[in-house]
Amino acid sequence: EDQVTQSPEALRLQEGESSSLNCSYTVSGLRGLFWYRQDPGKGPEFLFTLYSAGEEKEKERLKATLTKKESFLHITAPKPEDSATYLCAVQINQAGTALIFGKGTTLSVSS
Amino acid sequence: DAGVIQSPRHEVTEMGQEVTLRCKPISGHDYLFWYRQTMMRGLELLIYFNNNVPIDDSGMPEDRFSAKMPNASFSTLKIQPSEPRDSAVYFCASSLPYSYEQYFGPGTRLTVT
Repeated sequence: EDQVTQSPEALRLQEGESSSLNCSYTVSGLRGLFWYRQDPGKGPEFLFTLYSAGEEKEKERLKATLTKKESFLHITAPKPEDSATYLCAVQINQAGTALIFGKGTTLSVSS
Repeated sequence: DAGVIQSPRHEVTEMGQEVTLRCKPISGHDYLFWYRQTMMRGLELLIYFNNNVPIDDSGMPEDRFSAKMPNASFSTLKIQPSEPRDSAVYFCASSLPYSYEQYFGPGTRLTVT
């Protein structure tokens, strides 16, 4: 069965304290891996797409990396406004354009 | 562009009643997705359309759920009859052809008592 697992479920950081979120996947054929950010009461907002092992994408304080079994979302010197739930999703070859989401990591950054 | 528009934003109804959720995708997007989000199960795909045609409805939980897309700018998700376990946030998303980036609406929070 295709699965996406995110860890930790929740993460509390001090402002400026860098860390990483993990997304591990077990799928039959990976077409792409996606990271989304979700703020309370809102829909997920697209951050990155990664297609092949070794690929990296950056946006402000966020950097996403991909291996054959997992992806990391690195957060460098986070600020309180980075507080949100971060969702990982995979698109598999057999599912057309449908995405399979993990349950997310809720990040809280305090000043 | 206004983004994906969903209505209503909140819906409270009694068990057994019919519920209709509405979605207007971003103009020019020919893929439309309906998702359901709960604490227990996370974000789950219910059904998606391409050019108004349902492509995969394997995520629709039961026959009580139905979805339609009569034209490129409007879709509905209907639950009849509703049950308390249907309480969740329902999201609509759309995407361009040949693009994997999905744009989500603000969601409809459904509470069935």
